Amino acid sequence: DVKVTQSSRYLVKRTGEKVFLECVQDMDHENMFWYRQDPGLGLRLIYFSYDVKMKEKGDIPEGYSVSREKKERFSLILESASTNQTSMYLCATRRTNQPQHFGDGTRLSIL
Amino acid sequence: QKEVEQDPGPLSVPEGAIVSLNCTYSNSAFQYFMWYRQYSRKGPELLMYTYSSGNKEDGRFTAQVDKSSKYISLFIRDSQPSDSATYLCAMKGTNAGKSTFGDGTTLTVKP
Repeated sequence: DVKVTQSSRYLVKRTGEKVFLECVQDMDHENMFWYRQDPGLGLRLIYFSYDVKMKEKGDIPEGYSVSREKKERFSLILESASTNQTSMYLCATRRTNQPQHFGDGTRLSIL
Repeated sequence: QKEVEQDPGPLSVPEGAIVSLNCTYSNSAFQYFMWYRQYSRKGPELLMYTYSSGNKEDGRFTAQVDKSSKYISLFIRDSQPSDSATYLCAMKGTNAGKSTFGDGTTLTVKP
């Protein structure tokens, strides 16, 4: 079974803080993705990576950055958290030419 | 207009009913189609993965793709209360491409 682990299930941070969300996978998948999920807006792609140290912008990259120093780990960084970044954040991984598998998400609240 | 349209519901059925969940899409380049199930406060879980037109069956679940009509369906036979969840359709143009998701249909199966 594919296992995608997100470091926190729930997280509360303050406006202006730098926030790190971590995702780890144990299946040696090349591709990793970060999404946010909001009611009425569905899943929106923030960033993805198809290899170590490689990253590509998704549909809504503003206010976010990512880091992939090791194949199994993909980090999402909120440079200066704002209240409109309160959301459910989902990490997904896949082998090339296969469908994505998701972690259980991090519910992030910015106060 | 969104590339993938999915009726958000909510859909409520009695236990044992046949459930039909549907998505329409506008991009004729989509060739790979997926259905995910998402329980409350969890990440999406891959249910079905199909290529091109036709049917695919897995237990009580059948995925159907009609590319000529740009319409996909997921049928659930003998629905159970444990099927209560949000169902997301997703699709992509190439096997290595990014996925585009529907917003999800919320299903409740009542005992």
